[in-house]
Amino acid sequence: GQQVMQIPQYQHVQEGEDFTTYCNSSTTLSNIQWYKQRPGGHPVFLIQLVKSGEVKKQKRLTFQFGEAKKNSSLHITATQTTDVGTYFCAGSTSGTYKYIFGTGTRLKVLA
Amino acid sequence: EAGVVQSPRYKIIEKKQPVAFWCNPISGHNTLYWYRQNLGQGPELLIRYENEEAVDDSQLPKDRFSAERLKGVDSTLKIQPAELGDSAVYLCASSFGLAGTSTDTQYFGPGTRLTVL
Repeated sequence: GQQVMQIPQYQHVQEGEDFTTYCNSSTTLSNIQWYKQRPGGHPVFLIQLVKSGEVKKQKRLTFQFGEAKKNSSLHITATQTTDVGTYFCAGSTSGTYKYIFGTGTRLKVLA
Repeated sequence: EAGVVQSPRYKIIEKKQPVAFWCNPISGHNTLYWYRQNLGQGPELLIRYENEEAVDDSQLPKDRFSAERLKGVDSTLKIQPAELGDSAVYLCASSFGLAGTSTDTQYFGPGTRLTVL
């Protein structure tokens, strides 16, 4: 079945450093979503990517969808302590109408 | 606007006991999801409803899990009997549209943390 993997599993950075998490799917995706889950909280929607090669920005966050629509990345510039949490990608394949969540990347930001 | 409401927030039971979780989605959201999230992992879909119809329950362990969404609004998820391995956070989410559409953003509730002793 479809699998969605994320690397790294954990990342510790100093405040102000950049951070990137990568999402890889075993199958071609129709679209991908990114969620953030704070410690003890629930996933919160960040963004959705649909087009091959699409790049979207939200302030310090940059999201990219691969040309083959099998991978995606989230890059945070100049991390802040408020960025702490686990970042999940969730991919949907055409016709399934459901999202498979990735394994997540847990980010810790050291002040 | 109220978000997705779930209750209870925490539940501790002994194995072989039954347990039920309740979810009230965002008003007007047609699609409702139940996920299970184990510690350190991503949410895993258990069942998806479109209105009152369960359109994807392929991941639901049907020997002990059951769910219903009467009148296409509130939903309950039940486990009977519970096993040690069922300890997890059970998340409910809702979206206005179908997955794969422009209105399929999922809004998650706070979850129910289940501990089976």
